[in-house]
Amino acid sequence: QSVLTQPPSASGTPGQRATISCSGSNSNIGNNNVYWYQQFPGTAPRLLIYRTTERPSGVPDRFSGSKSGTSASLAISGLRSEDDADYYCATWDNNLSGRVFGGGTKLTVL
Amino acid sequence: EVHLVESGGGLVRPGGSLSLSCAASGFTFSDHYMDWVRQAPGKGLEWVGRTRDKANSYTTDYAASVKGRFTISRDFSRNSLFLHMNSLEAEDTAIYYCTRDIDAGTHAPGFWGQGTLVTVSS
Repeated sequence: QSVLTQPPSASGTPGQRATISCSGSNSNIGNNNVYWYQQFPGTAPRLLIYRTTERPSGVPDRFSGSKSGTSASLAISGLRSEDDADYYCATWDNNLSGRVFGGGTKLTVL
Repeated sequence: EVHLVESGGGLVRPGGSLSLSCAASGFTFSDHYMDWVRQAPGKGLEWVGRTRDKANSYTTDYAASVKGRFTISRDFSRNSLFLHMNSLEAEDTAIYYCTRDIDAGTHAPGFWGQGTLVTVSS
């Protein structure tokens, strides 16, 4: 049972917009920055979004992050087949004094 | 370019010990937070623990699931990070990733190694 709750799956067709949610609490998302990672099978995760809304160099601007209260979201516009991957949210939890990850969302581009 | 290479994974019996290494290059090792993150087969990511940077005296934090059994350390002569694991359980079976923070002011994992597989089984 993850501290952060993500839907196990999401889907969309090429060109559509997909949104993945990440629900937490005041001890984590509500008071800390959120990070998003993308992972393809058999490979290490890759940083997608940091400090809730910022993109590392090399990440397309089709990817965006946002937060409202104790929930965060990752939006992917103009879906492409190469976006088919697992996505994880993460943040720090002040009560646990540790980093917490969401359970992950498998995004399927149909 | 930041480069992290883990090694030391393998098969270990329940109750046994194992130490993982992470060779770091391309940055000033003492100036960055380093975390270990693991992923059980077919499962999601789980944070294991971290060591802070020189400015924060390299202090450590651990997940409740490994506290008291796992220890994170650094060897500055080899620019290497270690994860010493004791009293291993089947639930510790996972790929273990070494990570470096995004930058000196943003301490979440930003750079990841390729991972090393630890299997705990009799």
